[in-house]
Amino acid sequence: SYELTQPPSVSVSPGQTASITCSGHKLGDKYISWYQQKPGQSPAQVIYQDNKRPSGIPERFSGSNSGNTATLTISGAQAMDEADYYCQAWDRNTAIFGGGTKLTVL
Amino acid sequence: QVQLVQSGAEVKKPGASVKVSCKASGYPFTDHYMHWVRQAPGQGLEWMGRINPYSGGANYAQKFQGRVTMTRDTSINTAYMDLSSLRSDDTAVYYCAKDGREGMDVWGQGTTVTVSS
Repeated sequence: SYELTQPPSVSVSPGQTASITCSGHKLGDKYISWYQQKPGQSPAQVIYQDNKRPSGIPERFSGSNSGNTATLTISGAQAMDEADYYCQAWDRNTAIFGGGTKLTVL
Repeated sequence: QVQLVQSGAEVKKPGASVKVSCKASGYPFTDHYMHWVRQAPGQGLEWMGRINPYSGGANYAQKFQGRVTMTRDTSINTAYMDLSSLRSDDTAVYYCAKDGREGMDVWGQGTTVTVSS
């Protein structure tokens, strides 16, 4: 079955750039969504179709997807960006989530 | 605005079934698939399946085949997820999520299901 692999944790200093990766076989051939989940809250889509931002998502969130790796980039990370992030793709009519990455801003 | 409101927390015994509801508002209910995703305590997101509210057709993740049933009532814009033969490892928060933008663009608030003897 198809798998998506994320690093368990990423740390970034406030104002710096955070990059969270998501790896899978020929991932660049699929569309990726990214979700942010803060403690006690439901997930929220922050990137769709690899690099598009839903309305209301700050410009500091961006995405890319090529080859076997998709990347969520947060430019100028803020304390409010501290959360779990999940990538998601489709494979054979099944939604696949990565294991999640805990982003710490300190 | 688009909103998904789920039913309240449930406590069930092993072997029982649970039915979680998800009432949609703010958009044409039959125009978008509805997904169900669960999250065990301290764990990641796990997709269970989706239902086409227009046709009623559903496809389920292989792991849940035979144990999950997704239905809908278009007269009240509500989707349902029924999980049977509950085990302790089914203890989780269950979310419904509207299909959109090649993913899930709006999520419900979650329903906690606890399976305990």
